[in-house]
Amino acid sequence: NAGVTQTPKFQVLKTGQSMTLQCAQDMNHEYMSWYRQDPGMGLRLIHYSVGAGITDQGEVPNGYNVSRSTTEDFPLRLLSAAPSQTSVYFCASRRTSGHSTDTQYFGPGTRLTVL
Amino acid sequence: GQSLEQPSEVTAVEGAIVQINCTYQTSGFYGLSWYQQHDGGAPTFLSYNALDGLEETGRFSSFLSRSDSYGYLLLQELQMKDSASYFCAVRSYQTGANNLFFGTGTRLTVIP
Repeated sequence: NAGVTQTPKFQVLKTGQSMTLQCAQDMNHEYMSWYRQDPGMGLRLIHYSVGAGITDQGEVPNGYNVSRSTTEDFPLRLLSAAPSQTSVYFCASRRTSGHSTDTQYFGPGTRLTVL
Repeated sequence: GQSLEQPSEVTAVEGAIVQINCTYQTSGFYGLSWYQQHDGGAPTFLSYNALDGLEETGRFSSFLSRSDSYGYLLLQELQMKDSASYFCAVRSYQTGANNLFFGTGTRLTVIP
Protein backbone atom coordinates (compact mmCIF):
# COMPACT_ATOMS: atom_id res chain seq x y z
CA ASN A 1 0.00 0.00 0.00
CA ALA A 2 1.18 3.51 -0.83
CA GLY A 3 -0.88 4.94 2.06
CA VAL A 4 -1.71 8.63 1.60
CA THR A 5 -0.04 10.38 -1.32
CA GLN A 6 0.03 14.09 -2.10
CA THR A 7 1.15 16.11 -5.09
CA PRO A 8 2.93 18.39 -5.59
CA LYS A 9 5.51 18.41 -2.80
CA PHE A 10 6.41 22.04 -3.34
CA GLN A 11 4.57 24.87 -5.06
CA VAL A 12 5.07 28.60 -5.51
CA LEU A 13 2.12 30.71 -6.58
CA LYS A 14 1.51 34.35 -7.24
CA THR A 15 -1.28 36.17 -5.45
CA GLY A 16 -4.57 35.57 -7.21
CA GLN A 17 -3.59 32.34 -8.92
CA SER A 18 -5.62 29.19 -8.35
CA MET A 19 -4.43 25.64 -8.02
CA THR A 20 -5.43 22.19 -6.84
CA LEU A 21 -3.55 20.09 -4.31
CA GLN A 22 -4.04 16.41 -4.99
CA CYS A 23 -4.54 13.73 -2.34
CA ALA A 24 -5.19 10.03 -2.72
CA GLN A 25 -5.32 7.06 -0.36
CA ASP A 26 -5.43 3.34 -1.08
CA MET A 27 -6.59 2.09 2.33
CA ASN A 28 -10.31 2.36 1.57
CA HIS A 29 -10.75 4.86 4.40
CA GLU A 30 -14.09 6.58 4.62
CA TYR A 31 -12.78 9.72 6.31
CA MET A 32 -10.38 12.13 4.64
CA SER A 33 -9.31 15.59 5.69
CA TRP A 34 -7.05 18.51 4.92
CA TYR A 35 -4.98 20.38 7.51
CA ARG A 36 -2.70 23.33 7.28
CA GLN A 37 0.30 23.68 9.55
CA ASP A 38 1.80 27.03 10.44
CA PRO A 39 4.63 27.66 12.93
CA GLY A 40 3.37 27.67 16.51
CA MET A 41 -0.21 26.89 15.49
CA GLY A 42 -0.26 23.16 15.20
CA LEU A 43 -2.51 21.47 12.68
CA ARG A 44 -5.74 23.22 11.79
CA LEU A 45 -8.55 21.45 9.99
CA ILE A 46 -9.61 23.02 6.68
CA HIS A 47 -12.18 20.61 5.23
CA TYR A 48 -13.12 17.00 5.72
CA SER A 49 -15.18 14.25 4.15
CA VAL A 50 -16.83 11.14 5.59
CA GLY A 51 -17.41 9.51 2.23
CA ALA A 52 -17.80 10.04 -1.51
CA GLY A 53 -20.11 12.96 -2.21
CA ILE A 54 -20.00 14.26 1.38
CA THR A 55 -17.81 17.18 2.44
CA ASP A 56 -17.93 19.73 5.23
CA GLN A 57 -15.98 22.66 6.64
CA GLY A 58 -13.41 22.53 9.40
CA GLU A 59 -11.92 25.35 11.47
CA VAL A 60 -10.34 27.39 8.67
CA PRO A 61 -12.26 26.77 5.40
CA ASN A 62 -12.22 30.26 3.87
CA GLY A 63 -10.43 30.42 0.53
CA TYR A 64 -10.53 26.66 -0.04
CA ASN A 65 -12.86 24.24 -1.79
CA VAL A 66 -12.94 20.46 -1.75
CA SER A 67 -14.77 17.68 -3.54
CA ARG A 68 -14.96 13.92 -3.00
CA SER A 69 -16.10 12.09 -6.11
CA THR A 70 -14.43 8.79 -5.17
CA THR A 71 -13.40 7.11 -1.92
CA GLU A 72 -9.73 7.37 -2.93
CA ASP A 73 -9.35 11.03 -3.93
CA PHE A 74 -9.84 14.27 -2.02
CA PRO A 75 -8.43 17.30 -3.84
CA LEU A 76 -8.11 20.72 -2.21
CA ARG A 77 -8.60 23.76 -4.41
CA LEU A 78 -7.28 27.23 -3.66
CA LEU A 79 -9.62 29.64 -5.39
CA SER A 80 -7.49 32.80 -5.43
CA ALA A 81 -4.22 32.39 -3.59
CA ALA A 82 -3.23 34.90 -0.92
CA PRO A 83 0.05 35.27 1.01
CA SER A 84 -1.83 34.21 4.17
CA GLN A 85 -2.22 30.78 2.57
CA THR A 86 1.51 30.19 2.63
CA SER A 87 1.71 27.05 4.73
CA VAL A 88 2.34 23.33 4.75
CA TYR A 89 -0.74 21.34 3.78
CA PHE A 90 -1.35 17.80 4.95
CA CYS A 91 -3.97 15.40 3.73
CA ALA A 92 -5.01 12.64 6.11
CA SER A 93 -7.32 9.65 6.22
CA ARG A 94 -8.67 7.20 8.76
CA ARG A 95 -11.35 4.62 9.31
CA THR A 96 -14.69 5.63 10.80
CA SER A 97 -15.71 2.27 12.25
CA GLY A 98 -14.11 -0.76 13.83
CA HIS A 99 -10.63 -0.77 15.31
CA SER A 100 -8.10 2.06 15.17
CA THR A 101 -10.53 4.82 14.22
CA ASP A 102 -8.28 7.26 16.10
CA THR A 103 -5.25 6.33 14.00
CA GLN A 104 -4.98 8.99 11.34
CA TYR A 105 -2.59 8.54 8.43
CA PHE A 106 -0.98 11.61 6.93
CA GLY A 107 0.42 12.28 3.49
CA PRO A 108 3.94 13.73 3.11
CA GLY A 109 2.66 17.30 2.78
CA THR A 110 2.69 20.08 0.22
CA ARG A 111 4.78 23.14 0.97
CA LEU A 112 3.05 26.13 -0.58
CA THR A 113 4.42 29.62 -0.90
CA VAL A 114 2.25 32.47 -2.15
CA LEU A 115 4.11 35.56 -3.29
CA GLY B 1 -14.79 24.39 21.24
CA GLN B 2 -11.66 22.43 21.96
CA SER B 3 -8.42 23.58 23.55
CA LEU B 4 -5.31 21.46 24.03
CA GLU B 5 -2.28 23.03 25.68
CA GLN B 6 1.27 21.71 25.55
CA PRO B 7 4.65 23.19 26.47
CA SER B 8 6.21 24.64 23.34
CA GLU B 9 9.71 23.24 23.91
CA VAL B 10 11.42 20.58 26.02
CA THR B 11 15.10 19.65 26.12
CA ALA B 12 16.41 16.39 27.56
CA VAL B 13 19.62 14.38 27.64
CA GLU B 14 20.18 11.22 25.64
CA GLY B 15 19.34 8.17 27.73
CA ALA B 16 17.10 10.10 30.11
CA ILE B 17 13.31 10.10 30.56
CA VAL B 18 11.10 12.99 29.50
CA GLN B 19 7.41 13.71 30.03
CA ILE B 20 5.37 15.89 27.67
CA ASN B 21 2.14 17.15 29.18
CA CYS B 22 -1.17 17.93 27.53
CA THR B 23 -4.03 19.68 29.30
CA TYR B 24 -7.30 19.99 27.48
CA GLN B 25 -10.70 21.60 27.54
CA THR B 26 -13.38 19.82 25.58
CA SER B 27 -16.95 18.86 26.34
CA GLY B 28 -16.54 15.28 25.22
CA PHE B 29 -14.09 13.11 23.34
CA TYR B 30 -13.37 9.48 22.57
CA GLY B 31 -9.74 9.43 23.65
CA LEU B 32 -6.37 11.16 23.63
CA SER B 33 -3.87 10.44 20.88
CA TRP B 34 -0.22 11.33 20.40
CA TYR B 35 1.58 11.98 17.13
CA GLN B 36 5.24 12.47 16.33
CA GLN B 37 6.54 14.73 13.59
CA HIS B 38 10.15 15.05 12.52
CA ASP B 39 11.31 18.25 10.83
CA GLY B 40 10.14 18.27 7.24
CA GLY B 41 8.06 15.14 7.73
CA ALA B 42 4.46 14.19 8.27
CA PRO B 43 2.81 13.46 11.63
CA THR B 44 2.77 9.78 12.51
CA PHE B 45 0.59 8.05 15.09
CA LEU B 46 2.31 7.03 18.34
CA SER B 47 -0.22 6.15 20.99
CA TYR B 48 -3.86 6.28 22.03
CA ASN B 49 -5.68 6.28 25.38
CA ALA B 50 -9.38 5.57 25.30
CA LEU B 51 -9.54 4.94 29.04
CA ASP B 52 -7.83 6.48 32.04
CA GLY B 53 -4.49 5.02 32.89
CA LEU B 54 -1.20 4.16 31.29
CA GLU B 55 -0.65 2.61 27.85
CA GLU B 56 2.82 1.33 27.06
CA THR B 57 4.32 0.83 23.61
CA GLY B 58 8.01 0.02 23.83
CA ARG B 59 9.96 3.07 25.03
CA PHE B 60 6.86 5.25 24.80
CA SER B 61 4.00 5.38 27.29
CA SER B 62 0.95 7.57 27.37
CA PHE B 63 -1.33 8.45 30.25
CA LEU B 64 -4.83 9.89 30.50
CA SER B 65 -6.82 11.23 33.44
CA ARG B 66 -10.26 12.44 32.34
CA SER B 67 -11.09 13.72 35.83
CA ASP B 68 -8.03 16.01 35.69
CA SER B 69 -8.40 16.86 31.96
CA TYR B 70 -4.79 15.88 31.59
CA GLY B 71 -2.58 13.49 29.75
CA TYR B 72 1.08 12.98 29.06
CA LEU B 73 3.51 11.18 26.81
CA LEU B 74 6.50 9.57 28.51
CA LEU B 75 9.60 8.79 26.50
CA GLN B 76 12.21 6.56 28.11
CA GLU B 77 15.82 5.81 27.17
CA LEU B 78 15.87 8.87 24.95
CA GLN B 79 17.68 8.60 21.66
CA MET B 80 18.86 11.37 19.36
CA LYS B 81 16.28 10.25 16.79
CA ASP B 82 13.51 11.15 19.27
CA SER B 83 14.19 14.82 18.58
CA ALA B 84 10.92 15.86 16.96
CA SER B 85 7.65 17.63 17.62
CA TYR B 86 4.96 15.81 19.56
CA PHE B 87 1.26 16.60 19.31
CA CYS B 88 -1.62 15.52 21.48
CA ALA B 89 -5.01 15.23 19.82
CA VAL B 90 -8.62 14.45 20.70
CA ARG B 91 -11.43 13.12 18.56
CA SER B 92 -14.33 15.22 19.67
CA TYR B 93 -17.99 14.33 20.09
CA GLN B 94 -18.89 17.86 19.10
CA THR B 95 -18.83 17.51 15.34
CA GLY B 96 -20.80 15.02 13.29
CA ALA B 97 -17.65 13.43 11.92
CA ASN B 98 -15.82 13.39 15.25
CA ASN B 99 -12.90 15.30 13.80
CA LEU B 100 -9.41 15.05 15.27
CA PHE B 101 -8.23 18.29 16.92
CA PHE B 102 -4.56 18.84 17.65
CA GLY B 103 -2.62 20.72 20.29
CA THR B 104 0.00 23.23 19.22
CA GLY B 105 2.81 20.73 19.71
CA THR B 106 5.93 20.33 21.84
CA ARG B 107 9.34 20.44 20.23
CA LEU B 108 11.64 17.94 21.94
CA THR B 109 15.37 18.38 21.57
CA VAL B 110 17.57 15.51 22.73
CA ILE B 111 21.14 16.53 23.54
CA PRO B 112 24.18 14.25 23.96
